[in-house]
Amino acid sequence: EAGVVQSPRYKIIEKKQPVAFWCNPISGHNTLYWYLQNLGQGPELLIRYENEEAVDDSQLPKDRFSAERLKGVDSTLKIQPAELGDSAVYLCASSLGGSQSEQFFGPGTRLTVL
Amino acid sequence: AQSVTQLDSQVPVFEEAPVELRCNYSSSVSVYLFWYVQYPNQGLQLLLKYLSGSTLVKGINGFEAEFNKSQTSFHLRKPSVHISDTAEYFCAVSVPGGGNKLTFGTGTQLKVEL
Repeated sequence: EAGVVQSPRYKIIEKKQPVAFWCNPISGHNTLYWYLQNLGQGPELLIRYENEEAVDDSQLPKDRFSAERLKGVDSTLKIQPAELGDSAVYLCASSLGGSQSEQFFGPGTRLTVL
Repeated sequence: AQSVTQLDSQVPVFEEAPVELRCNYSSSVSVYLFWYVQYPNQGLQLLLKYLSGSTLVKGINGFEAEFNKSQTSFHLRKPSVHISDTAEYFCAVSVPGGGNKLTFGTGTQLKVEL
């Protein structure tokens, strides 16, 4: 069974440019999460989807970040415009749902903003 | 709100020696507890979890952890480490009914040396 797929794995952009990350969750997983992991830190939740609905986006900086999960499967996280401080690893995870459901993580996208 | 403290940022240990990685949490309500491992350039993988019941939890790769409610701790242990255990280890908590939202510690880098 394929795991969570993310692309690209690495992205280098200049500040003020837009960038987008893509995530394909494990088949059948209704819940999808986007996390931000700064260097030397643990992941922090940005947004959680139940199917196509964003049920927790309280930590998403909505002035420059946006996300979508059309048809309740794949998801895209976008930053526009990117800032130097956005350099980090962006992790996607998925689960079957429920408070005891294991989250499976993708390998992440490492973003470098110059 | 919940928080997790991993006081040791790095733990060096010789191969075949025992190791303990410390995790303390803070919460006003009952919690679920998790340990994840992150190998270089990979996503997080669940090692073990405590939801309820026995306070001694056994996980994959020979790891175990013990939930201590009075000390609000969930330390991770392995009696004999291998070179392949070199990785970053994250402790995390979630709250029952909290939407499966994980709050992570800052991580402990375990470095196993020959």
